[in-house]
Amino acid sequence: EPEVTQTPSHQVTQMGQEVILRCVPISNHLYFYWYRQILGQKVEFLVSFYNNEISEKSEIFDDQFSVERPDGSNFTLKIRSTKLEDSAMYFCASKTGDQETQYFGPGTRLLVL
Amino acid sequence: DQQVKQNSPSLSVQEGRISILNCDYTNSMFDYFLWYKKYPAEGPTFLISISSIKDKNEDGRFTVFLNKSAKHLSLHIVPSQPGDSAVYFCAARANAGNMLTFGGGTRLMVKP
Repeated sequence: EPEVTQTPSHQVTQMGQEVILRCVPISNHLYFYWYRQILGQKVEFLVSFYNNEISEKSEIFDDQFSVERPDGSNFTLKIRSTKLEDSAMYFCASKTGDQETQYFGPGTRLLVL
Repeated sequence: DQQVKQNSPSLSVQEGRISILNCDYTNSMFDYFLWYKKYPAEGPTFLISISSIKDKNEDGRFTVFLNKSAKHLSLHIVPSQPGDSAVYFCAARANAGNMLTFGGGTRLMVKP
């Protein structure tokens, strides 16, 4: 069964460094998402991406964040200058154009020191 | 922001019995609801969903009920199995967009 994959599974970085989290959505899906879950808190929406542009973003998704679909398969989340509070699990999700269910990847655990 | 709320942080059930997980929401613009199951260190796995035009959806051992007037939905698992032990998240989507708003989760423990 097709699934969303994410790399790396874990990333440790120093505050102020740039990180890029990578996702490969399910191949026939058209909508792509990033969510995050800070330890002990809810899963929070960051951004949705469709037709090569951002379709929705939350207040969390400020100028330090950006997303890109550099080729036909990858979907990336970049954090330009990481802060301690960016430490969280980051989940990528995708869905088709005609169904509502979003399918999630296994997540990347980001730790900012 | 408490638009989607799961008031029970944990639930313990005996194997073979029914598990009922509850979820309340406040945003009347929500028109699609999903339940996800999550194991530690894994991503949420889709279980079952329901559109706001329905009041019940069933898939095998899983049934979701939606009470729009009460802004309440519930997930029933019958019979419960030890492998069902996980954190269950309720999520909702507003008709104007794509983002999902999640509840805080309920940890279900099914005892053999």
